[in-house]
Amino acid sequence: EAQVTQNPRYLITVTGKKLTVTCSQNMNHEYMSWYRQDPGLGLRQIYYSMNVEVTDKGDVPEGYKVSRKEKRNFPLILESPSPNQTSLYFCASSLSGGGPRLGTDTQYFGPGTRLTVL
Amino acid sequence: QQQVKQSPQSLIVQKGGISIINCAYENTAFDYFPWYQQFPGKGPALLIAIRPDVSEKKEGRFTISFNKSAKQFSLHIMDSQPGDSATYFCAARDHNAGNMLTFGGGTRLMVKP
Repeated sequence: EAQVTQNPRYLITVTGKKLTVTCSQNMNHEYMSWYRQDPGLGLRQIYYSMNVEVTDKGDVPEGYKVSRKEKRNFPLILESPSPNQTSLYFCASSLSGGGPRLGTDTQYFGPGTRLTVL
Repeated sequence: QQQVKQSPQSLIVQKGGISIINCAYENTAFDYFPWYQQFPGKGPALLIAIRPDVSEKKEGRFTISFNKSAKQFSLHIMDSQPGDSATYFCAARDHNAGNMLTFGGGTRLMVKP
């Protein structure tokens, strides 16, 4: 089954304790990204990756790191989490990273990770 | 400041009615406008999308209307059903910005039986 998986689904942690949220896709997609969802603000992009070893900042990258060592995995790292990073996080992937090519635009989202930083 | 403004924030419609959600944008470089549907506890899923070279796209009960000059687009759900109750997000993509999607704030739709 084609899917994007995230782990953990729920996480409660304390300020300053490093954490990693994993994301994996089995569709051989080039493009992967991370979003956070906050009430009234929709989804805002944190980081994205056009391909292996290629990453770039989205709208709200402060306090986050990512890496793309393999095509299927795109972990989100919070080196020193703070309460304002309490949010619902989504990983997404799509076939290609840009351009108007038909059928390559659709981003498939994972089930989400609800993070609470105390 | 949100680049894509979505309204209303919440909407209640009777079964069989028409649900209308509106979005407006400023960035003229946006070239792809998808709508996502999100059920509680799930990630958003693509519902329907349109490019700015067409004014309307219809898929089943879902229609996007697009007004390029006004920089507005809307989602119409005809014959709304209780199963359509979900949160809907409009989005826009600037292909010069690495396929980044800019989302509206979301509309929580409730369809009453």
